[in-house]
Amino acid sequence: NAGVTQTPKFRVLKTGQSMTLLCAQDMNHEYMYWYRQDPGMGLRLIHYSVGEGTTAKGEVPDGYNVSRLKKQNFLLGLESAAPSQTSVYFCATTQGTEAFFGQGTRLTVV
Amino acid sequence: DQQVKQNSPSLSVQEGRISILNCDYTNSMFDYFLWYKKYPAEGPTFLISISSIKDKNEDGRFTVFLNKSAKHLSLHIVPSQPGDSAVYFCAASIQGAQKLVFGQGTRLTINP
Repeated sequence: NAGVTQTPKFRVLKTGQSMTLLCAQDMNHEYMYWYRQDPGMGLRLIHYSVGEGTTAKGEVPDGYNVSRLKKQNFLLGLESAAPSQTSVYFCATTQGTEAFFGQGTRLTVV
Repeated sequence: DQQVKQNSPSLSVQEGRISILNCDYTNSMFDYFLWYKKYPAEGPTFLISISSIKDKNEDGRFTVFLNKSAKHLSLHIVPSQPGDSAVYFCAASIQGAQKLVFGQGTRLTINP
């Protein structure tokens, strides 16, 4: 039982490049989230999904897009990466009263 | 507008003593509060939670206190152990654990 798995774990991008972060969960949870963690800022919600085929904006959605084509997968896309998107990205799922997080993706945009 | 605030970026405590981590919130609609623990290069892991209908929840060495009138909660760890050294995040939500709003985190260091 892997729980929440993020791919990749590390990535370095050049400004303007695009990439997709993949989050996969095997817990059959409806809700999935993408957060970013920056020093002194805690975790901030980028986008979330309340079920397959649905997505919604969180607190800091600009510059990101998401898709939830399958219940178990939640993809976060950066169409044109910027240095301000250098961060650690966490995927999470929730069911009821607990949230489960992936191990994180450290992204550096140079 | 920071709805959940942890005003102490760091805290250092001697092993065996009590650690007290504090968290304040501004949104009176929050009705569920959680504490997460995070080690370097790992995702946050759930520690303990409390519903707004309670003022205290205890789980082993960890106790969370909620003061709704002051919009304040605290996490007590006693006795503190070296393995408790980590970053602790306070989080709040409306209705269960959906769309958690996190504080900035407090780095706890337990000294031998």
